[in-house]
Amino acid sequence: NAGVMQNPRHLVRRRGQEARLRCSPMKGHSHVYWYRQLPEEGLKFMVYLQKENIIDESGMPKERFSAEFPKEGPSILRIQQVVRGDSAAYFCASSLVRNEQFFGPGTRLTVL
Amino acid sequence: KNEVEQSPQNLTAQEGEFITINCSYSVGISALHWLQQHPGGGIVSLFMLSSGKKKHGRLIATINIQEKHSSLHITASHPRDSAVYICAVDGGSQGNLIFGKGTKLSVKP
Repeated sequence: NAGVMQNPRHLVRRRGQEARLRCSPMKGHSHVYWYRQLPEEGLKFMVYLQKENIIDESGMPKERFSAEFPKEGPSILRIQQVVRGDSAAYFCASSLVRNEQFFGPGTRLTVL
Repeated sequence: KNEVEQSPQNLTAQEGEFITINCSYSVGISALHWLQQHPGGGIVSLFMLSSGKKKHGRLIATINIQEKHSSLHITASHPRDSAVYICAVDGGSQGNLIFGKGTKLSVKP
């Protein structure tokens, strides 16, 4: 039973480019959460999705960031026109309804 | 004031020592989580608690709902326990977590 998978593990982008981060939840899990960990800071909630629905996006920056979790395929966190301040580790987690969340290994985004 | 406060921020211990990390929160919660983040960055869920006490190997987690406080204990600490330990609470109706800033533990041989 594979755990939560994220890819890529490391992503380098230049300012102004787009970043796409993927998260495949554990088998049977239909709830996905995205969290961001800025350098030297704690984890912060970004968005909570179920299949084809955004449930809570209260932690998402208002511009440039979007997330989806289609019926088929992984959840995608998309960052348009990246800036240096977007450099961080992005973690996703998956769960059954209100159960323990299982975290992926994270994607470390570096914006040059 | 953060909604989730951890103490200490940093902790250095000798191998074999008993370790306690504390977490206090100010919001109503349905569950509290203890997470471990290794130097490589990966996050492992250690415990999810809504009341009482849980034990897994050398790790023990307790929670006092009335006092809004939880503790993580490590018995017979080992250098491989060196990591950042993060307390997180599930306070909203949607299940997203609010995190403490973490406690960086270093266990010396």
